Amino acid sequence: GAVVSQHPSWVICKSGTSVKIECRSLDFQATTMFWYRQFPKQSLMLMATSNEGSKATYEQGVEKDKFLINHASLTLSTLTVTSAHPEDSSFYICSASRGSNQPQHFGDGTRLSIL
Amino acid sequence: RKEVEQDPGPFNVPEGATVAFNCTYSNSASQSFFWYRQDCRKEPKLLMSVYSSGNEDGRFTAQLNRASQYISLLIRDSKLSDSATYLCVVNNQAGTALIFGKGTTLSVSS
Repeated sequence: GAVVSQHPSWVICKSGTSVKIECRSLDFQATTMFWYRQFPKQSLMLMATSNEGSKATYEQGVEKDKFLINHASLTLSTLTVTSAHPEDSSFYICSASRGSNQPQHFGDGTRLSIL
Repeated sequence: RKEVEQDPGPFNVPEGATVAFNCTYSNSASQSFFWYRQDCRKEPKLLMSVYSSGNEDGRFTAQLNRASQYISLLIRDSKLSDSATYLCVVNNQAGTALIFGKGTTLSVSS
């Protein structure tokens, strides 16, 4: 099956720190990668969609300067939470897809806690 | 109307029970439908795709009714390990992303 690796799995940082999360598709080339955020007992909320080699498309209400996404290759996308604050604490999950309308395969998620 | 709506539950059933989850979606142009399973504090995992003719995978049966914009998941002979949150997922209008429901929580007890 498709394997997507996400790193790190847990981060605890001081307020003001920038945090970088990596998402890798290990056994397939991911045309598109997605970044989600999930607050406790809430549904997954799509933050942005990134296609390899092009700028990410951000959902309404998501600050692109706050959440920097880079999708430099077909197997790697990164999300950088810049100058993180306690309200950014959440479960961030990436997913990768072979193409539109194909199932998405999720990474293990990153639990981010900002003190 | 929310894009994807599910009864949040929880559904509390004994082992061996049959349980059904329902989901409605608002975008009549949606073409892709899935059920995902998410365990507590874990990432979602694809359970099964949902096809127009309905499909079965072991104890799990998925049905799609396009006219009513309704999707269902039936679990037969529930196991303790089926306890999780089940997410109904459809693609967005542009077909470029997936929209997740809030999930239905299932708790199977012995």
